[in-house]
Amino acid sequence: DQQVKQNSPSLSVQEGRISILNCDYTNSMFDYFLWYKKYPAEGPTFLISISSIKDKNEDGRFTVFLNKSAKHLSLHIVPSQPGDSAVYFCAASDTPGGSQGNLIFGKGTKLSVKP
Amino acid sequence: DTGVSQDPRHKITKRGQNVTFRCDPISEHNRLYWYRQTLGQGPEFLTYFQNEAQLEKSRLLSDRFSAERPKGSFSTLEIQRTEQGDSAMYLCASSLLGYTDTQYFGPGTRLTVL
Repeated sequence: DQQVKQNSPSLSVQEGRISILNCDYTNSMFDYFLWYKKYPAEGPTFLISISSIKDKNEDGRFTVFLNKSAKHLSLHIVPSQPGDSAVYFCAASDTPGGSQGNLIFGKGTKLSVKP
Repeated sequence: DTGVSQDPRHKITKRGQNVTFRCDPISEHNRLYWYRQTLGQGPEFLTYFQNEAQLEKSRLLSDRFSAERPKGSFSTLEIQRTEQGDSAMYLCASSLLGYTDTQYFGPGTRLTVL
């Protein structure tokens, strides 16, 4: 049973517009959430994270929102740029305080930003 | 560049052969993780070390898999008697234990078992 779900395999957005990537989880014990970006033939690159004690974290063009009651988080990218085209993975950890053991990943969403 | 490095980047082997992969973490990081990623899936956790100690192993890590981190620095992942189902990208990540020990990934080793 998948504990972290990214239900949209792909997303296409026009350059300059907002990209919204969604992630749902089932395990209420998850305490820390991360987003990674992955280009072909490379390892995942850390983007942004959020602790369960917060509902929003922002870093430049990237903002992650967490809705614990809905067990839902989202990544907003604004404005979107062609270089943002990649596969985005949502990941979760159930280790308290953000100190991570293993991460549980979703299947990823492929974002395409068109010029 | 002082990121996580992995060697080799690609490995093609025949079924039944043994293979070994190496991971060099970011130098000050005391935690090291191995993940496996197959097509269309996210990375799946295999095992992790804190310094030399192997603290957790996934049920995905069958008896044919063994990982070591003998001096708390680099790590090796060995797969014995490879099977076609072992074909995947093997990813290594490292982190510094602390309040938020974010995991940073290497480029991965792509294994193809013929």
